[in-house]
Amino acid sequence: EAQVTQNPRYLITVTGKKLTVTCSQNMNHEYMSWYRQDPGLGLRQIYYSMNVEVTDKGDVPEGYKVSRKEKRNFPLILESPSPNQTSLYFCASSLRPGGSSGYTFGSGTRLTVV
Amino acid sequence: AQRVTQPEKLLSVFKGAPVELKCNYSYSGSPELFWYVQYSRQRLQLLLRHISRESIKGFTADLNKGETSFHLKKPFAQEEDSAMYYCALKGGSEKLVFGKGTKLTVNP
Repeated sequence: EAQVTQNPRYLITVTGKKLTVTCSQNMNHEYMSWYRQDPGLGLRQIYYSMNVEVTDKGDVPEGYKVSRKEKRNFPLILESPSPNQTSLYFCASSLRPGGSSGYTFGSGTRLTVV
Repeated sequence: AQRVTQPEKLLSVFKGAPVELKCNYSYSGSPELFWYVQYSRQRLQLLLRHISRESIKGFTADLNKGETSFHLKKPFAQEEDSAMYYCALKGGSEKLVFGKGTKLTVNP
């Protein structure tokens, strides 16, 4: 089944403790992206990747890092999480750049930073 | 700059009534526009794209370049249509910009 898999689904952590949210897709998509979803703000793009070893900032990249060493994986790294990063995070992939062929989204990761 | 505006945060209709979710965009070139739907506690799913000119689950959306709009319509709403709906725009940059979403509630 074609899908985007994120882990974990839920995570509670403390301020400053580094964490990684994994994202993997099995559709051989070149384009991958991370979004955060907050009430009243909709979805805002954090980072995106056009292909292996090619990543770029989205609209809200501060406090986040990403890497794209393999085509299928696009982990999101929070080196020193803070409470304002409490949010619902979605990974997405697309056959064509910028989601122009339509995004496939993961199930989301609900992160709470205390 | 690319911008998507969904003027209604909340929209409530009765089952069987027509529904229209508004989406306006700001982009000087030729945009690609999408509607995504998110049912309660589920992932976002692509509902439709303007280039496909398709009808999914009874929903349609027409791109009006003159009014820079891409409103989503359904003639007869069903309770299972209750969800969050997001309009999204891809312009010249390599990213998709989402509106803030409209929560549709269809009452029995």
